[in-house]
Amino acid sequence: EPEVTQTPSHQVTQMGQEVILRCVPISNHLYFYWYRQILGQKVEFLVSFYNNEISEKSEIFDDQFSVERPDGSNFTLKIRSTKLEDSAMYFCASSDPDRTEETQYFGPGTRLLVL
Amino acid sequence: EDKVVQSPLSLVVHEGDTVTLNCSYEVTNFRSLLWYKQEKKAPTFLFMLTSSGIEKKSGRLSSILDKKELFSILNITATQTGDSAVYLCAVLYFSGGGADGLTFGKGTHLIIQP
Repeated sequence: EPEVTQTPSHQVTQMGQEVILRCVPISNHLYFYWYRQILGQKVEFLVSFYNNEISEKSEIFDDQFSVERPDGSNFTLKIRSTKLEDSAMYFCASSDPDRTEETQYFGPGTRLLVL
Repeated sequence: EDKVVQSPLSLVVHEGDTVTLNCSYEVTNFRSLLWYKQEKKAPTFLFMLTSSGIEKKSGRLSSILDKKELFSILNITATQTGDSAVYLCAVLYFSGGGADGLTFGKGTHLIIQP
């Protein structure tokens, strides 16, 4: 069964450093998403991406965040200058282009720890 | 304010019991409500509900949506220890853009004791 994959599974970085989180969505999906979950809190929407541009973004997704689809398979989230409060689990998700099936399928996540 | 509210936040039952998890929402331009199961990491999809009154079933799990009263329930019958997880409710609504993000509740942490 096709699945969303994410790398790395864990990332430890120093405050102020840039990190890039990578995702490979399900191959025929065209809608892509990033979510984060701070430890003990709920899953929060960050951004959605369609047709090579941002479709929607939340207030969490400020100028230090960016997303990119550098090739036909990868979807990345970049955090330019990490802060302690960026420590969280980051989930990538994708959904089918058929608008009658809007289920978003989640990857296993990247646990980011900012020291 | 929270748009998706789940209850209870935690629940401990014995194996074999039946549980009902609740999710209420308050959004305009509602599209669908989704249930996910989160064990260790990624939320795994259980159900998507779009229409009122139509029960969706998968084995011992079932769910139904009431769009008039703005809530959904997730039932698990004959619970097993493997059902222990956090159950997440999420709502999808039209925000005017293309690919809309899910708004999640805080989840119900379900523990099944042997």
